[in-house]
Amino acid sequence: DTGVSQDPRHKITKRGQNVTFRCDPISEHNRLYWYRQTLGQGPEFLTYFQNEAQLEKSRLLSDRFSAERPKGSFSTLEIQRTEQGDSAMYLCASSSHGGFEQFFGPGTRLTVL
Amino acid sequence: ILNVEQSPQSLHVQEGDSTNFTCSFPSSNFYALHWYRWETAKSPEALFVMTLNGDEKKKGRISATLNTKEGYSYLYIKGSQPEDSATYLCALLFMSGGGADGLTFGKGTHLIIQP
Repeated sequence: DTGVSQDPRHKITKRGQNVTFRCDPISEHNRLYWYRQTLGQGPEFLTYFQNEAQLEKSRLLSDRFSAERPKGSFSTLEIQRTEQGDSAMYLCASSSHGGFEQFFGPGTRLTVL
Repeated sequence: ILNVEQSPQSLHVQEGDSTNFTCSFPSSNFYALHWYRWETAKSPEALFVMTLNGDEKKKGRISATLNTKEGYSYLYIKGSQPEDSATYLCALLFMSGGGADGLTFGKGTHLIIQP
């Protein structure tokens, strides 16, 4: 079973460093989503791709954040100049065209010291 | 801003007892309501996707209902087992941008089943 996978599962970094996370969606899914969950909150939507096109970005996605999906398959989320407030669980999900259900990966837990 | 509210925030239930919790939302302008179960160190697992007023879904001991007119959904667990311990998330796909936008989540109900 090839569900959604994310790498790494955990990342500890120092404030000011850049980090990059990867998400591999379910292979036939053309939609890919990034969410962020901070302590005590539900996941919050960050951005969405249909194939390689980034179609929507939340106001939560500051200009230090950039996401790509270059060939419409895997996606990367980069955070530049990390801040302690970026510490969170970063979740990726994918869905098929026309389908409502989103399938989630296990997340990458980021800790910024 | 469209908020999704879940209550209670946490719940301790004795093994074998039944329980339920609530998801409430302000608008009927959504495509679908989702329930997810999220166990520690695992991926959130989809339980139900509900779209119609009056929808009732069931999977084993877990069931859910949806009332779009009054703006709530209930999740029921019958005969709780320790493996039911998890955070249960409710999420809505609101009609704000063609149906492909991200989900709006509640904060979840953290359920602990005590043996």
